[in-house]
Amino acid sequence: KAGVTQTPRYLIKTRGQQVTLSCSPISGHRSVSWYQQTPGQGLQFLFEYFSETQRNKGNFPGRFSGRQFSNSRSEMNVSTLELGDSALYLCASSLGRGYTDTQYFGPGTRLTVL
Amino acid sequence: DAKTTQPPSMDCAEGRAANLPCNHSTISGNEYVYWYRQIHSQGPQYIIHGLKNNETNEMASLIITEDRKSSTLILPHATLRDTAVYYCIVRDTDKLIFGTGTRLQVFP
Repeated sequence: KAGVTQTPRYLIKTRGQQVTLSCSPISGHRSVSWYQQTPGQGLQFLFEYFSETQRNKGNFPGRFSGRQFSNSRSEMNVSTLELGDSALYLCASSLGRGYTDTQYFGPGTRLTVL
Repeated sequence: DAKTTQPPSMDCAEGRAANLPCNHSTISGNEYVYWYRQIHSQGPQYIIHGLKNNETNEMASLIITEDRKSSTLILPHATLRDTAVYYCIVRDTDKLIFGTGTRLQVFP
């Protein structure tokens, strides 16, 4: 089975721009979660989508949003980019039946904001 | 906030067992202990998880104390490729709350 894929792998943007990142989950997985990793804050939960609905949300400003499509693929969007948004963005997929389901991570998208 | 405490770093000789401890003294009855590792800014890799019984898979063993307040991840024969940051996570929701982890350095 193919793993979680994320595109693009690397991205450079400037302040004020917006960006869209994509995540394709493992086949059969219906839940996609997004995480941000920075040197200062570590790995932090952004949000989780299941069956095209946001089921959980972390403590991030409204500039961070996401969506999930009927095929379980997910996108996250960051608007009005700030320097502090430079980070590794990771998505993870699971079957979505609950917290006993293991989450499997993709390789991440490295975003640099100049 | 993370509910776990791990040593910031550990060393292990190649071929020896690596024993990574984790304290989770406030764990409740329905919370699972999960272990992930992250190799140099790649995505975290799932290793193993358990509720109260010891678990073993092809990667590692997980030993959970009887009172469930601590656990140990055991890599039976560490290799250089096991050098990574290891995260112990106590989980009772769909989201994973990562702490700072243990940086394991395996040396030749």
